[in-house]
Parts: sequence; structure tokens; C-alpha cells
Amino acid sequence: ILNVEQSPQSLHVQEGDSTNFTCSFPSSNFYALHWYRWETAKSPEALFVMTLNGDEKKKGRISATLNTKEGYSYLYIKGSQPEDSATYLCAFSTTDSWGKFQFGAGTQVVVTP
Amino acid sequence: DAGITQSPRHKVTETGTPVTLRCHQTENHRYMYWYRQDPGHGLRLIHYSYGVKDTDKGEVSDGYSVSRSKTEDFLLTLESATSSQTSVYFCAISGGSGYTFGSGTRLTVV
Repeated sequence: ILNVEQSPQSLHVQEGDSTNFTCSFPSSNFYALHWYRWETAKSPEALFVMTLNGDEKKKGRISATLNTKEGYSYLYIKGSQPEDSATYLCAFSTTDSWGKFQFGAGTQVVVTP
Repeated sequence: DAGITQSPRHKVTETGTPVTLRCHQTENHRYMYWYRQDPGHGLRLIHYSYGVKDTDKGEVSDGYSVSRSKTEDFLLTLESATSSQTSVYFCAISGGSGYTFGSGTRLTVV
């Protein structure tokens, strides 16, 4: 049973459109929230580490926000490109097990030209 | 390139045989992890280590054991492989910016 929920499971985006998706997690004992990008046949690659409520992180056209009080994080992709096609994973840890991350099942993003 | 390698990359083994997967890091990180990845389940933690000879169980540890005799090596052993252990196994090390993952081992138990 996953305590971390990601939605939607998958989405198709037209090139140039912007999109966003959600990671929900238990809000108690929050320590950190991570986002990873996972391309087919590769290893997950770290995008962001977020620890504070209200955190906003940005890397190129990808950004993320964090709300620890309500237990969610959004990942945004602005002006999607085919190279953004990947599965995006979130993972969170708690203060009593900060070194152990629990992963969501991921949101698969397919960007079509 | 990330200083973490897994071996083998692919393995096919028979039910009932023991199998050992190796994770090697050159980053001198204290924490190392073994995850398995299955469709619909995301990445699930099998075992992790917080130092030499210090290991603990994750959420799906049954049927698996680990050993860490050196900082750089973390071994995962399937004591008697079953078909339900067919999966992709990822090793990871933990640094300040999150996990760095190995390339994965695709294990098929027939």
C-alpha cells in the first residue's frame, strides 16, 4: 500500500503546452519531498529536493511547489517538449525515518510533436 | 558516471537457486539502498544500510538478505529465487541532493 499517491497515472501533452501533476503524501512528521525524472531504460534522476512548506524550485522549464500542511506537491512543465517525455516520481521521508524514502508509482508524461 | 555501479545488468536464473546482486559505489556514502521496481508499485524498498555491517529491512524484505562488509559494496541475496522476485532491482546511494541510482539489474526467475 502506497502512502504516496501520484495523479494522474499518465498524461499526453501536445508539444508546446504546459502541464502539471500532483504528488500527495501524509502531512505528519514531514521531512523531505523529492522529485525524480525517469526515462525509459535509464535510472531515475534527481530533479528537486524540497523541505520547507511553501518551497518552490525551478530547473529550466520544470518547477515544483510544496505544501506540507496539506500534504501535496505539484510539478509543472512549461512549454512541453518531446524530450520531457518520462515518468516523474515523487518520494517523501519522515522525521523518524528520514533516510528512507517512500516512492509514488509515478506520472508518465508523453509529449507528442 | 555517478560513481555507483550494479552487476550484473541482466540475469536469468532458475527457481530455487540463490542469486546475489552487487552494488558498488565510489562516493564513500554511508547510506545505501536496494529497491525493486514493478509495474503499478513504483519503487519499493527491500533493505538499506547506514554503515558497514549496519543494515535494516524495508517494506518488501521477505526472501532477501543483504550484507555490507565494506563502505563501497552492498550485496543483495535472494536466498531461494521465486518467480515473484522477477523484477528490476535498483541500488541507490543517498547524498545531499537525494538519491543517485545505479543502472539497475533486470532479474528473471524461470
